[in-house]
This record gives sequence, structure tokens and C-alpha cells, in this order.
Amino acid sequence: GQQLNQSPQSMFIQEGEDVSMNCTSSSIFNTWLWYKQDPGEGPVLLIALYKAGELTSNGRLTAQFGITRKDSFLNISASIPSDVGIYFCKTGGSQGNLIFGKGTKLSVKP
Amino acid sequence: NAGVTQTPKFRILKIGQSMTLQCTQDMNHNYMYWYRQDPGMGLKLIYYSVGAGITDKGEVPNGYNVSRSTTEDFPLRLELAAPSQTSVYFCASTPLGGTEAFFGQGTRLTVV
Repeated sequence: GQQLNQSPQSMFIQEGEDVSMNCTSSSIFNTWLWYKQDPGEGPVLLIALYKAGELTSNGRLTAQFGITRKDSFLNISASIPSDVGIYFCKTGGSQGNLIFGKGTKLSVKP
Repeated sequence: NAGVTQTPKFRILKIGQSMTLQCTQDMNHNYMYWYRQDPGMGLKLIYYSVGAGITDKGEVPNGYNVSRSTTEDFPLRLELAAPSQTSVYFCASTPLGGTEAFFGQGTRLTVV
């Protein structure tokens, strides 16, 4: 079946550092979305990308839809403690079978 | 706005017991999903539904059953609880033609 490879699996960074994570796939997709899951909560949408090459920002977050339509990147600038959580990439599969990456767990040291 | 509501929030089951995790959404979404998330791990799709009366298996359906008699409700049933089913369960929904998933708050289940 379709799979999304998300990396890195986890990150331990110092407050103020920038963060980069990415998702790749062997399949082509028309949408890429990035979610954040705070501890003890359900995932919440951060950024949605609908066009190859699209670069979209949401505050300190920037996400890009790869030109090949097989990958996407999420960057967080100047990290703060509340950035802690698990970040998931997601795209749409066939017949509503939503596909999530395995997640990147971010820890921020004050 | 309620969005996706899951009940209960926490539950402890004994091995072999059964229970139903409830999920309801008030956004008239066609698609609904059940995921499980083990500690420190990603989301694994258990079952999904593209509309009332239609359900399909996801990645890890064994030990679970679902039904979708209405657009709003998508209960998940565990018939014979096993320790391997200890996890956090999330219900989600998406609108027809959309890909943004809206999640419930989760149900934390422990089987002892």
C-alpha cells in the first residue's frame, strides 16, 4: 500500500533553534497537509498545500509542496517550548483512506 | 461548535471484556475514521467509512468492528479485549471532497 516516509523520527533541540522535517513518498499526491499533536490531544491542522511548488507560511511555520509532488517539507523557525509535540504529514489516499506519516516528535529544551 | 466528540475519555477493561467507543460528528462529514496510537508511535488506521452503511478495513482491523448507520455516528467495538489493544483511540472525519481531517480528543484505553 501507499506509505509516507517521515523524518526525522524525533528531534531534541534548544529553544531558539530552527527545525526542519520532511515527508517523502513513492506516489504522487495532489495535497499535502501538516498536523501537530499536542501531548494528550488529537492532531490539529497547521498548514495545507494544494499545488506543486507551493510555499505557505503560518507564523513561524513554513511548509513546501515538492515540485515532484512526492514530498513536502515543514520548517519551524526560532522554536519555543510550546512547539513541543508530534508533527504529522498527511495526504489523501483513495476512497477516503487517509495516509499519515509516522510522525516527528519534537522536544524543545528551554 | 462541537466538531468530533468521543466518549469515554478514559477506560480500563479486563481481558475478555467488550466495549464500544463512541464517536459522533456534527459537521455532516461523509468520511469518518478510527485510528489507534500506541505510546510514542504514529497513527494506525483501524477502519474507515465513506458514508452511512459503508465501512472498510484499514491497516489494523483485527479485533475491532465498526458500523455506520447514520452520517453522524461511527462507533468502534472491541469484542474480546486484549492487552495489545491498550492504546489511545482517535476518531476523525473529513468532508466529501476534502482532505483536512478533524480529530476528536481521543479515548485512552487500558486492558489489564
